[in-house]
Amino acid sequence: DIQLTQSPSFLSASVGDGVTITCRASQGISTYLAWYQQKPGKAPKLLVFAASTLQSGVPSRFSGSGSGTEFTLTISSLQPEDFATYYCQQLDSYPRTFGQGTKLEIK
Amino acid sequence: EVQLVESGGGLVQPGGSLRLSCAASGFTFSNFEMNWVRQAPGRGLEWISSISSTGSTIYYVDSVKGRFTISRDTAKNSLYLQMNSLRAEDTALYYCARVDDPPYSSSSFLDYWGQGTLVTVSS
Repeated sequence: DIQLTQSPSFLSASVGDGVTITCRASQGISTYLAWYQQKPGKAPKLLVFAASTLQSGVPSRFSGSGSGTEFTLTISSLQPEDFATYYCQQLDSYPRTFGQGTKLEIK
Repeated sequence: EVQLVESGGGLVQPGGSLRLSCAASGFTFSNFEMNWVRQAPGRGLEWISSISSTGSTIYYVDSVKGRFTISRDTAKNSLYLQMNSLRAEDTALYYCARVDDPPYSSSSFLDYWGQGTLVTVSS
């Protein structure tokens, strides 16, 4: 099974800050990676697919990059609604594993 | 509007069974792969099962193989998860999710999710 390791697991930042979350795969997955945002009590929401393609309706301050084993999700200027937990998921092979999550908190 | 509505969760004793359902609307159900993903209380997301658009190809995570069965009914636009031999560690919120794999993308992705149905396994 492919393992995904996100770093950091917790991130504290202020409104207006830029932040980057990293997702590392235990083996190469090309660009078969998606990023999701989850707020408390809500279902996950797709942000980025194919490593770098922004889902329709997602603000342009979000961006994804990477291929192979290292991927990043960057939020260029944090807004209050961005404080949430973020997950990466690989869709290269089954089981379609998720990273353990990165909780982004307000400083 | 795409909608996925899960039902069938509840409290069950260890060793018991439950059948989860996911009612789909707003899209052509028979054209899409569907997945089940679960989330234990206070924990992260865990992908557990996938069924192809035709139902012919199915995958499970090892921890549920032999105990859970995914299925779909195109006539009813519904996805199911039969859960047998339930354990305390199966306690979680269970989500169904649609998988899209458009020609313009180099990868599939889970684009629509239901709100989840809670399964609690406890004596």
